[in-house]
Amino acid sequence: AQSVAQPEDQVNVAEGNPLTVKCTYSVSGNPYLFWYVQYPNRGLQFLLKYITGDNLVKGSYGFEAEFNKSQTSFHLKKPSALVSDSALYFCAVTQGNTDKLIFGTGTRLQVFP
Amino acid sequence: DTEVTQTPKHLVMGMTNKKSLKCEQHMGHRAMYWYKQKAKKPPELMFVYSYEKLSINESVPSRFSPECPNSSLLNLHLHALQPEDSALYLCASSQEGGTGELFFGEGSRLTVL
Repeated sequence: AQSVAQPEDQVNVAEGNPLTVKCTYSVSGNPYLFWYVQYPNRGLQFLLKYITGDNLVKGSYGFEAEFNKSQTSFHLKKPSALVSDSALYFCAVTQGNTDKLIFGTGTRLQVFP
Repeated sequence: DTEVTQTPKHLVMGMTNKKSLKCEQHMGHRAMYWYKQKAKKPPELMFVYSYEKLSINESVPSRFSPECPNSSLLNLHLHALQPEDSALYLCASSQEGGTGELFFGEGSRLTVL
C-alpha cells in the first residue's frame, strides 16, 4: 500500500533562513506526491504536486519540493522562511490511480523572528 | 468561485441526536470527499463521491451516512454518535481526482457529548 512518512514532528527555523520539511514515500508504481499546509483552525491548502517530469517542483508562496527517486524522498523547501510560514505541513500520496489521498503524520513548522 | 463552503462551523450534539453536516462547491468538480481530523493528527479519508456516486468508503461506521444530492452538494448525516467521534470534519473537492489538488473547506468542528 502507498504511504508517506514525515520523520520530524516539528521543525524550528529562524526567519530569513532556508527551511526543509522532510517526506519519504513508499509506493508501488509511479508516485503521485503532494504537499499541503494547514493554518490553525483552518482547512488544508494545496502547495504543490509531483506527477511526472521535472524533479524540482515549484509551488505556492515560494515553496518548492524535490522528487528524488533513488532516496524515495519528496522534501519541501523554501530559500528564506517567513514568520507567516508557521503552520502544519502535510505530505500526501495518492493510492495508485485512484481518488484516495493518504496524508503523512504532519510536521509543525515554527519560524522565529 | 474557488471555495468549498461547509456548514455549520461548529456543532454540539448528544449521543441520541440526528444532525447533518453540509458541503457545497461551485467549481464544477467531479469528486467530493469527507475527511475526519482529530487534534494534532492528519486527516483520515472517510468517503469519496465521483460523479455523484459513492466510489470509496473507508469502512466507516454506519452511524455516519454520506449523501450526494447533486454535483455541488455533499452531506454527512450523523446519528447515534459516540464522544470519540468528536473531531474536525473536512470536506474537499477535486476535478482531477488522484492526480489533482484537493480544495478543502474550513471544516465543521463536531463535539459529541
